[in-house]
Amino acid sequence: DVKVTQSSRYLVKRTGEKVFLECVQDMDHENMFWYRQDPGLGLRLIYFSYDVKMKEKGDIPEGYSVSREKKERFSLILESASTNQTSMYLCASSFGTGGYEQYFGPGTRLTVT
Amino acid sequence: AQTVTQSQPEMSVQEAETVTLSCTYDTSESNYYLFWYKQPPSRQMILVIRQEAYKQQNATENRFSVNFQKAAKSFSLKISDSQLGDTAMYFCAFLYGSSNTGKLIFGQGTTLQVKP
Repeated sequence: DVKVTQSSRYLVKRTGEKVFLECVQDMDHENMFWYRQDPGLGLRLIYFSYDVKMKEKGDIPEGYSVSREKKERFSLILESASTNQTSMYLCASSFGTGGYEQYFGPGTRLTVT
Repeated sequence: AQTVTQSQPEMSVQEAETVTLSCTYDTSESNYYLFWYKQPPSRQMILVIRQEAYKQQNATENRFSVNFQKAAKSFSLKISDSQLGDTAMYFCAFLYGSSNTGKLIFGQGTTLQVKP
């Protein structure tokens, strides 16, 4: 079974702190994704990566950056957390292109106070 | 721009009955994929069913089936013989085939409550 894990289920940070969210997948998937999930808005893509050290902006990249130094690990970084970044963050991975299923992690509920 | 709309924020159904969740999308692409994902309470999102736009036959997976109307850009999910374990948030998602990176566009989600 594909396994996507995220470093924390719940996280509370203060405004202005630098926040790291980590995601690890164990199926050698090329593609990895970071989404944020907000009520009434569904999932919105923040960043994705289709190879090691490669990244592309999604629909809402402002205030976020990412890092992919190893194929199995994809990190989301909030350089200076703000209260409007309080949300559920979901990581996903997929084998490649062509309509392959995305496998999701359990999510990290981040609260910025 | 591609958009996905789920017009039913919440739905409920009695156990063993059938329920249909609606989804419409907007695209100028001709080759794409559509998905329904399920997110149970406090659990990971999982794929329910997938439809390839070039296939006319509606996809089915056990109790789950879709009604894919390409001309109308409609992709509804039918759950037959609903079970308590079907209680979840359901997301419709669109992936366009011309992309090399497999980006999904999600609808707003529909919360389904199955009542005993």
